[in-house]
Amino acid sequence: GAVVSQHPSRVICKSGTSVKIECRSLDFQATTMFWYRQFPKQSLMLMATSNEGSKATYEQGVEKDKFLINHASLTLSTLTVTSAHPEDSSFYICSATQTSGPRTDTQYFGPGTRLTVL
Amino acid sequence: AQKVTQAQTEISVVEKEDVTLDCVYETRDTTYYLFWYKQPPSGELVFLIRRNSFDEQNEISGRYSWNFQKSTSSFNFTITASQVVDSAVYFCALSEAPSSGYSTLTFGKGTMLLVSP
Repeated sequence: GAVVSQHPSRVICKSGTSVKIECRSLDFQATTMFWYRQFPKQSLMLMATSNEGSKATYEQGVEKDKFLINHASLTLSTLTVTSAHPEDSSFYICSATQTSGPRTDTQYFGPGTRLTVL
Repeated sequence: AQKVTQAQTEISVVEKEDVTLDCVYETRDTTYYLFWYKQPPSGELVFLIRRNSFDEQNEISGRYSWNFQKSTSSFNFTITASQVVDSAVYFCALSEAPSSGYSTLTFGKGTMLLVSP
């Protein structure tokens, strides 16, 4: 149980294009999903917290207009990197917490999406 | 503010050796949760354990064991008889009790474990 998927797993795009990453909770409902980015050999950095049906909460220093987050249902959140540039190249990971049950305070992570912007 | 320190950047062991990964945390809350996650080369973070601040019992799961010491604010992780498949980056993380429905995780910088045959 508590499986989270991400799509795509890997994407290469040209500078200036937009890229959408999907995060799905496959076997549970997730009121809250989180988006992280991870640079090589570094820890995870929280970008934003996504709540179903409301606006995302962004961490300090993360551009809201650059990283658009939509959490339209209890099983899907999307992150769109708009007008991507090479410095946006990174590993993006989402996580989700269960809406109910004994593990509502545990984050379950997706497999990540490796974005390369040329 | 919360802080998690994993002082060991990289550890190398030979298969079948025991290895302990250290984790020290800081928080002002009396109620909090501690976690360990494993990140193999594939990138996915695998949940290993969750411990709340009121439960100081040590836990054992197969070759894995965890030692939670509130007095020293530590939550160390030991792998017994390590195997090559244990090679990964291990993250310790802390979250405080949510006041509004959810809580965020504070991660340590991770410890890379290399187990050679």
